[in-house]
Amino acid sequence: GQNIDQPTEMTATEGAIVQINCTYQTSGFNGLFWYQQHAGEAPTFLSYNVLDGLEEKGRFSSFLSRSKGYSYLLLKELQMKDSASYLCAVRRNDYKLSFGAGTTVTVRA
Amino acid sequence: KAGVTQTPRYLIKTRGQQVTLSCSPISGHRSVSWYQQTPGQGLQFLFEYFSETQRNKGNFPGRFSGRQFSNSRSEMNVSTLELGDSALYLCASSERTGEGEKLFFGSGTQLSVL
Repeated sequence: GQNIDQPTEMTATEGAIVQINCTYQTSGFNGLFWYQQHAGEAPTFLSYNVLDGLEEKGRFSSFLSRSKGYSYLLLKELQMKDSASYLCAVRRNDYKLSFGAGTTVTVRA
Repeated sequence: KAGVTQTPRYLIKTRGQQVTLSCSPISGHRSVSWYQQTPGQGLQFLFEYFSETQRNKGNFPGRFSGRQFSNSRSEMNVSTLELGDSALYLCASSERTGEGEKLFFGSGTQLSVL
């Protein structure tokens, strides 16, 4: 099995930066995903990391350290529409994908 | 391209009944996976199909089953429904691109068991 831990909730101000950490323990690591899910909607793909380092996509960046079993999602220039749940998911070599419980981010004006 | 399509969007059943949910992946995607999402448990992996073969299975009882057809469409069946099966069931299809692998989710089927 695998354990995936991420904070339950985070609150930040519009225009600020928030970093959501995700730690995992797994055998046969084969990639880490971040998804955004607004209430009542399906998760939408944000990023995919399989090698160590930082992947930047506009206001969102994702970092991975395989040796530490650690990833973070960085949200910059926060907007009200960024209020959502952010899900960290780890894929193993057998293609099984496991999700963390999600981090609810609330952006305040 | 059309996105992942799941039907029905909402479903109400009673305990003991069975239910079949349908998922049409994005055209060209051969991998389809199913997840159960509840407020208390989050997203739980059910199973994944690739080219009509079950490639992986999560830790759910045998009442949960699925299959994939030659056109990549997939169905999920739950027999002898229990109250605890009430959840949002999400289907996702995936493709491997130059940017890595991306999973695309459908809007889900909200199942209520009374």
